[in-house]
Amino acid sequence: LAKTTQPISMDSYEGQEVNITCSHNNIATNDYITWYQQFPSQGPRFIIQGYKTKVTNEVASLFIPADRKSSTLSLPRVSLSDTAVYYCLVVPSGTYKYIFGTGTRLKVLA
Amino acid sequence: NAGVTQTPKFQVLKTGQSMTLQCAQDMNHNSMYWYRQDPGMGLRLIYYSASEGTTDKGEVPNGYNVSRLNKREFSLRLESAAPSQTSVYFCASSESKGALHFGNGTRLTVT
Repeated sequence: LAKTTQPISMDSYEGQEVNITCSHNNIATNDYITWYQQFPSQGPRFIIQGYKTKVTNEVASLFIPADRKSSTLSLPRVSLSDTAVYYCLVVPSGTYKYIFGTGTRLKVLA
Repeated sequence: NAGVTQTPKFQVLKTGQSMTLQCAQDMNHNSMYWYRQDPGMGLRLIYYSASEGTTDKGEVPNGYNVSRLNKREFSLRLESAAPSQTSVYFCASSESKGALHFGNGTRLTVT
């Protein structure tokens, strides 16, 4: 199973674009990459999923380079309400054993 | 459409007591999961069920048992609670791989 590494914490200011990178060097060919957001006292919430190149939805963009050894979650123009912990999850093929990493604690400042 | 419902929301146990955490989903998902999250920490997988009738151990299964009662329900049992099991317990379900839907958690304190 691919192990993920993310920065422990990041600070940003309102209105800025935030990029959170996740390293997953031993990702397997058929594994997908998924990102979650978790607010205090709530369960994590699915944000976006991708396999390669770029995926965009109404909340975020996900950039995955050709070698797929890392991925970057991009949050455009963050607000105070984007303060949360963001988890990168490599979804393994052939098993439902989903192991989360430690996550990145994003703090958005006014 | 309630999504994933967990009961109870809060529970206090004494060391050695037993209890069952209940989880139900109304999205007709095949796979279900139990995670625990200690204060300020990440999520750790306790058990998962890929489909009705199957269960498998996750990262930290010791001290827990599970039952996939039917497609909707997946319960987690602590037979003899220990202070080290003080945590927030999250249940999740998924249809497509990786897109987990989480409940709001059960906050368990063992004294």
